[in-house]
Amino acid sequence: NAGVMQNPRHLVRRRGQEARLRCSPMKGHSHVYWYRQLPEEGLKFMVYLQKENIIDESGMPKERFSAEFPKEGPSILRIQQVVRGDSAAYFCASSISVVTDHEQFFGPGTRLTVL
Amino acid sequence: KQEVTQIPAALSVPEGENLVLNCSFTDSAIYNLQWFRQDPGKGLTSLLLIQSSQREQTSGRLNASLDKSSGRSTLYIAASQPGDSATYLCAVTGANSKLTFGKGITLSVRP
Repeated sequence: NAGVMQNPRHLVRRRGQEARLRCSPMKGHSHVYWYRQLPEEGLKFMVYLQKENIIDESGMPKERFSAEFPKEGPSILRIQQVVRGDSAAYFCASSISVVTDHEQFFGPGTRLTVL
Repeated sequence: KQEVTQIPAALSVPEGENLVLNCSFTDSAIYNLQWFRQDPGKGLTSLLLIQSSQREQTSGRLNASLDKSSGRSTLYIAASQPGDSATYLCAVTGANSKLTFGKGITLSVRP
């Protein structure tokens, strides 16, 4: 059973371009979470999704950022018109159900560098 | 708003020492607490998960305890090794399913 997969592992974009980060949850997991780790800071929650639904996006910036988890395919975190401050490691996690005592399993992360 | 604190931010110990990493949280209404390990430039490896109804969990040389009422957890590492050098993160799960992380403790074990 493969773990949580994220791609690309490293992404370089110039200011103003779009960044698309993909996350494939573990098999059987229908809940996906995105976290961001800025340099010298802890991981911060961004968004929680179930298939085709955004459950909680309270940690996601209101502009330029969007997330989806379609019925088929991976979850996508999309950052439009990237700025240097978006440079960070973006981690995806998945869990098996909505029951909160289930563990979240993390992917290896995507390291975004904005030039 | 939940806040998770890990102090100190960095720790250096000689090989073989037993050590304790501390974590505190402000809101005791948690569902579970997890300890993670993160190596430089890498992802997170889950070490131990303690449900809110549990007091401790053990895995090999690691033992984690949870005192929910006082908002504290400790990660005990026995007989530390250079390979234990990494950043250790503590995180709690609240009612909204989000993990709130501390900033981590960067551990260096000297040979």
